[in-house]
Amino acid sequence: AQTVTQSQPEMSVQEAETVTLSCTYDTSESDYYLFWYKQPPSRQMILVIRQEAYKQQNATENRFSVNFQKAAKSFSLKISDSQLGDAAMYFCAYMGPYNNDMRFGAGTRLTVKP
Amino acid sequence: NAGVTQTPKFRILKIGQSMTLQCTQDMNHNYMYWYRQDPGMGLKLIYYSVGAGITDKGEVPNGYNVSRSTTEDFPLRLELAAPSQTSVYFCASNPGRRTYNEQFFGPGTRLTVL
Repeated sequence: AQTVTQSQPEMSVQEAETVTLSCTYDTSESDYYLFWYKQPPSRQMILVIRQEAYKQQNATENRFSVNFQKAAKSFSLKISDSQLGDAAMYFCAYMGPYNNDMRFGAGTRLTVKP
Repeated sequence: NAGVTQTPKFRILKIGQSMTLQCTQDMNHNYMYWYRQDPGMGLKLIYYSVGAGITDKGEVPNGYNVSRSTTEDFPLRLELAAPSQTSVYFCASNPGRRTYNEQFFGPGTRLTVL
């Protein structure tokens, strides 16, 4: 079964600095999708960024970018110019090719210090 | 477009009681999902549906039942509630097979079983 591991339960960053959240996963599939979701105290799950496994180019969304290493099964999230509003739980997620099972990591709680 | 809506937002049940969590989406998505999120953890898939009349078990289905009579609705039934079912429940939808679109999440239902 596919598993997703986030090894950093908590991370802290100074406002305007850069932070990287780690994620590794295990799968035997070659075609799959990876996501980072943000969950603020409101509990709403908000998509931050997504990556298709067949694309070698790392995805970027404004201040958010990923480092996707397919051979290493690693999918880290880099947040540049951190803002107070970035403080939240961040979940890494894996979805197989048939859209019927999304696996989540345990999450990383990000604190942003002013 | 309301997206994915869930009712109720909060509920307290006594052990042995039953209830139905409602989920509706207005995006004409084929795939719908139910997840639970235990404190400090990521989301785990309970059941999913790939279309009206078709449902299947996820990672943690015991103690739950689902039905999908329409494209829009995907209710989750808890029979004989137990304290272990205390959790936050999320409903989500996705356009369908072979798309990489993210899952669209509802706001969640916080359930406490005492």
